This record gives sequence, structure tokens and C-alpha cells, in this order.
Amino acid sequence: DAGITQSPRYKITETGRQVTLMCHQTWSHSYMFWYRQDLGHGLRLIYYSAAADITDKGEVPDGYVVSRSKTENFPLTLESATRSQTSVYFCASSATGNTEAFFGQGTRLTVV
Amino acid sequence: GQQVMQIPQYQHVQEGEDFTTYCNSSTTLSNIQWYKQRPGGHPVFLIQLVKSGEVKKQKRLTFQFGEAKKNSSLHITATQTTDVGTYFCAGPFNQAGTALIFGKGTTLSVSS
Repeated sequence: DAGITQSPRYKITETGRQVTLMCHQTWSHSYMFWYRQDLGHGLRLIYYSAAADITDKGEVPDGYVVSRSKTENFPLTLESATRSQTSVYFCASSATGNTEAFFGQGTRLTVV
Repeated sequence: GQQVMQIPQYQHVQEGEDFTTYCNSSTTLSNIQWYKQRPGGHPVFLIQLVKSGEVKKQKRLTFQFGEAKKNSSLHITATQTTDVGTYFCAGPFNQAGTALIFGKGTTLSVSS
């Protein structure tokens, strides 16, 4: 089915471990985004990508790494997870950076 | 970078009452978007406003973009329990408009 999918939906990891959150879209949208959602902070932009092999920092990029070797995939890696990275992570895509964004279902990450 | 501020953070209404959420920016926005997130769900696009003073309606929802393009509002007439959720405004992250940043959202609860 067309759309944007995130995996896993839920993840528990330990402090210091590396964890990768996956995001896949089937619309061939040029733009993809990662947001984290925390109570009281709304949605905060972590990283975004305008095309394959082009990525840029958002509002809160520290502690995260992204790559985009293919248009349809935009994985987010926490190289050494910390408790402050416990959050709900949303991936999104759009045709341009300024038009309707389509969100995935989210990944709830808990760092213990 | 740009910032968008949103008030109130929470609003509780009785079914049938009206509801308004406000979004403000210190800088002129090229456009503003509104999203709704149901409890446990992901943000879903509602509308985009581009023109100064623009007003758009979707059934009981009325969206306005200020004359100076620095503020916007979402007004719901005669709320229903199906309106429950968090409403976010979003504006361009940078001058190039390559990503969106979101306000902290207004969480609406409705009692019948």
C-alpha cells in the first residue's frame, strides 16, 4: 500500500546502545523529515532531507545521525542512546519542504 | 531559526461551545499550515494558508491568516466530541522553506 511506514512501532533500549529507527515512503516524495514529540514541547524537527544524499540539521539534531541513500528511506540513528531521547519519533514526507506533510504512525522509544 | 508560538496549551469545552487556538510568529511567514493529532495518533494535515488576510472554511472549522502574515487562528464552531485532539500550527523552518516547524499545540478536550 502507498504511504509512509515506520518501524519498529515500539522499542526499549538501554542507555549507551545504538538504535536505528526506520522510515519508508512509497510516494517518491523528495522531502523527508524526522520529528520528536515530547509532552510540553510539541513536535520538534530533528533532521530533514531534500533529496537522496542531502540532509540538514533541524532544531534538535544533537545525538542523532541520519542518512538517505535512497529516496524512499530515511533512517534515524541514535549512536549512543540517552534517557533524554525517550520520546515518540515521527517520520514525515512531502513533495516540497513547504507543502502538506504526511506522517508515519510513529515509533515510541524508551531508553532505560 | 523561525519560531511559532501557540496558545492556549490546553482548552476544555462543553460540547456545543466554540473553540479557538492562536498561532503567532515574530517574523513574517510565507505560509502557515494546520494539523490535527487525535489521541494516540499521528498529525494529519488540515489546511495551508498562503495569502495575507486569507480565510478558509472547512465545515465548522474556520482558518485565518493575519494581514501581516505573522499570526493565524483556527476557530471551531459548536464543538463535537470528534473534535478532541491536539491542533498544531506549522510554519517554515527557514527562508528556503525546506522544512516545517511546529507550534507546541493546543490540546482540546470536549465533554458531552
